[in-house]
Amino acid sequence: SQQGEEDPQALSIQEGENATMNCSYKTSINNLQWYRQNSGRGLVHLILIRSNEREKHSGRLRVTLDTSKKSSSLLITASRAADTASYFCATEALSNTGKLIFGQGTTLQVKP
Amino acid sequence: DAGVIQSPRHEVTEMGQEVTLRCKPISGHNSLFWYRQTMMRGLELLIYFNNNVPIDDSGMPEDRFSAKMPNASFSTLKIQPSEPRDSAVYFCASSLAEHTDTQYFGPGTRLTVL
Repeated sequence: SQQGEEDPQALSIQEGENATMNCSYKTSINNLQWYRQNSGRGLVHLILIRSNEREKHSGRLRVTLDTSKKSSSLLITASRAADTASYFCATEALSNTGKLIFGQGTTLQVKP
Repeated sequence: DAGVIQSPRHEVTEMGQEVTLRCKPISGHNSLFWYRQTMMRGLELLIYFNNNVPIDDSGMPEDRFSAKMPNASFSTLKIQPSEPRDSAVYFCASSLAEHTDTQYFGPGTRLTVL
């Protein structure tokens, strides 16, 4: 099965609210990355967190990583309609450097 | 920078035909990745190259699929013969380094095999 599993599969919120997405994985990793995909487009890299980091921020994004629980979360604060997209976590396993395994993604809808 | 360029953007073909998808990575990037995305299986890595050399092709579904990277600025993914189950969006991505690095995705090629 895939390395990254995301939760929830779909999320619908109002503009201004915060959105939290979770990702769990199975094996030890070098790093975990989050990507966004707008409908009909390619994936866009959002943020990378290394296995020795616990938290990282980028603008309205906050990512946490708990290697003991093999999980990560992506928080989008003060969401906007333009944040509507699918969000994927991707992991690079320790044993397989260079290969990213993507989760199934969380579809986020932000209503104006 | 133009980003990763893929062609064609859409391809409709009949079962049994040969299909060739093309990718131009970002100039200066050393690694190139081919992915396939479907509703059922999500995003799957098919093959990746580092410095034009195939490193891991374990995701290539079967012998009908082949990929080449003759130089640093061009790669092809070929399906011969194509089957309806190959219908998917195929993405090419490139990165500066082989690992622990951001991947930049192209817009994808939507393939429909009738």
